[in-house]
Amino acid sequence: DAGITQSPRHKVTETGTPVTLRCHQTENHRYMYWYRQDPGHGLRLIHYSYGVKDTDKGEVSDGYSVSRSKTEDFLLTLESATSSQTSVYFCAISESGQGREQYFGPGTRLTVT
Amino acid sequence: QKEVEQDPGPLSVPEGAIVSLNCTYSNSAFQYFMWYRQYSRKGPELLMYTYSSGNKEDGRFTAQVDKSSKYISLFIRDSQPSDSATYLCAMSGGASGNTGKLIFGQGTTLQVKP
Repeated sequence: DAGITQSPRHKVTETGTPVTLRCHQTENHRYMYWYRQDPGHGLRLIHYSYGVKDTDKGEVSDGYSVSRSKTEDFLLTLESATSSQTSVYFCAISESGQGREQYFGPGTRLTVT
Repeated sequence: QKEVEQDPGPLSVPEGAIVSLNCTYSNSAFQYFMWYRQYSRKGPELLMYTYSSGNKEDGRFTAQVDKSSKYISLFIRDSQPSDSATYLCAMSGGASGNTGKLIFGQGTTLQVKP
């Protein structure tokens, strides 16, 4: 998985609770991304980062925030989890900002009850 | 209408068959075209990418891009049971600029039967 770890790998939480997912890379890549994968929708971009403290919204950013205080870590926070945020979350990294050679982590399976 | 369309399948073929997987897209500004393979409960794995139009070959896999038709394909020769997975096409460039944002197809599930 190209030096990418995600934690936790599985999580069950209740509606209304805050949740933070962590992505850690050992490749020193500049770009990091959070996607969610849902049946019928494929992978959709939530937020991305193009450097330390530099982040921007993706296609489905409502209800999510991110932070990147170090090159190697990119955090995704669900401020108040809802059942619609039940999904599999993938982190990806890339050295280039052109979309080619983007590598994915193993994923976090999140269930909001 | 989605920017990238991909038939979800499932597609079932016998071992040794040539497999053709396809995506169509609507944004003519896309410049990079990727194919990912995803096994069940794993992260997507980059198979190959192509820049602009043309073909690219890597072992049993060949990717083709026809920008005039907004159509991309992935061919798998001599398919093996280990090729059974979901195949995702993805595209970038254009309005997304140099941020690397990928637009994915829904994925096609392939089963290769021994």
